[in-house]
Amino acid sequence: NAGVTQTPKFRVLKTGQSMTLLCAQDMNHEYMYWYRQDPGMGLRLIHYSVGEGTTAKGEVPDGYNVSRLKKQNFLLGLESAAPSQTSVYFCASSFDRGLGSNQPQHFGDGTRLSIL
Amino acid sequence: AQKITQTQPGMFVQEKEAVTLDCTYDTSDPSYGLFWYKQPSSGEMIFLIYQGSYDQQNATEGRYSLNFQKARKSANLVISASQLGDSAMYFCAMREYMRAGKLIFGQGTTLQVKP
Repeated sequence: NAGVTQTPKFRVLKTGQSMTLLCAQDMNHEYMYWYRQDPGMGLRLIHYSVGEGTTAKGEVPDGYNVSRLKKQNFLLGLESAAPSQTSVYFCASSFDRGLGSNQPQHFGDGTRLSIL
Repeated sequence: AQKITQTQPGMFVQEKEAVTLDCTYDTSDPSYGLFWYKQPSSGEMIFLIYQGSYDQQNATEGRYSLNFQKARKSANLVISASQLGDSAMYFCAMREYMRAGKLIFGQGTTLQVKP
């Protein structure tokens, strides 16, 4: 019953460092998403993918890159971390978006990232 | 423009009483879905309930029900018989058919259940 697994769970970086957050899902979902959650705000979409080999920008994509080389994995990269990227990052996955689809997005437990 | 609005930053309810969490939305897409998620202090996002724009009846899931008023563009969550474990942040979210399944979240409402 793994569902959506995010690694790492916590990380502290220095400004300018790079890192990759890994998201893995075992539900054979086509769609995967990366969100960030800041205090007092809802989740905001960073990037998303509608299938293996495809990615697209969300609401707040600047400073991040993503890759979906395998269907089950969705990687989020920070090339040069900035303090403004201190946040909690959530990965999610879901089945199709078809008309009337009631399939919810399944979320990982989040990664708490601090940039000093 | 804000697509999902949750006007109640914080709410209190007495244990065993019912509580309504407000959510209004804005969309021009005739096909959309509305979701409620619960986020306890441990941080995970838990799916609670779904309402589709074409659904004729209000959704219910155990103690959760969704008061869907399409003309008013509101999708309020009703929790009956509140329990201490219901204390959490609650998010309303919308998925528009034309937006590749992406969820748009409201800012959330913090619910505290008093014993």
